[in-house]
Amino acid sequence: AQTVTQSQPEMSVQEAETVTLSCTYDTSESDYYLFWYKQPPSRQMILVIRQEAYKQQNATENRFSVNFQKAAKSFSLKISDSQLGDAAMYFCAYRSTNTGNQFYFGTGTSLTVIP
Amino acid sequence: EAGVAQSPRYKIIEKRQSVAFWCNPISGHATLYWYQQILGQGPKLLIQFQNNGVVDDSQLPKDRFSAERLKGVDSTLKIQPAKLEDSAVYLCASSLAGIGEQFFGPGTRLTVL
Repeated sequence: AQTVTQSQPEMSVQEAETVTLSCTYDTSESDYYLFWYKQPPSRQMILVIRQEAYKQQNATENRFSVNFQKAAKSFSLKISDSQLGDAAMYFCAYRSTNTGNQFYFGTGTSLTVIP
Repeated sequence: EAGVAQSPRYKIIEKRQSVAFWCNPISGHATLYWYQQILGQGPKLLIQFQNNGVVDDSQLPKDRFSAERLKGVDSTLKIQPAKLEDSAVYLCASSLAGIGEQFFGPGTRLTVL
């Protein structure tokens, strides 16, 4: 089974600064999807950004971008110009493209934004 | 477009009691997931449906947990009897079959006393 590892249980960043959250995964598949989800305290989990493994270009969504290194099986999230509203748990997720399209989540990184 | 609906939002029960959660996915989403999220941890998949068929229930404690999606739309997850360690947030999510991300509901926070 695929595994997703987030090695940083907690991170902090100064408001307006940049922070990078790490994620690595283990798979034998060549085609898959990767996601970063954000879960604010006591609020709903929402999608931040997604990356298709067959695309070499790194995905970007406004202040959020990823560094996808397929050979290294690494998928880090960069948040630029951090805002107070970015404070949340961030989960990295892997989606298989085989039968069933299973999702696998990491254990999460708690991001604190310091005013 | 309406999101994933879940009810109830909160539930407090005593151990050995039964409880049921309901989920209505986004219209047209064939795939439905139930997750258990213990405080401070990532979501753990309990069961995944494709329409009304089970795709993966390998981590569902089948001696006490059951789930159904009879008409391939909404779904119920039941715990009978509950244990203290079942205290968690139960998340429902849905996705279009074969592609894309999951959309999550607000979750049901279960406390077992």
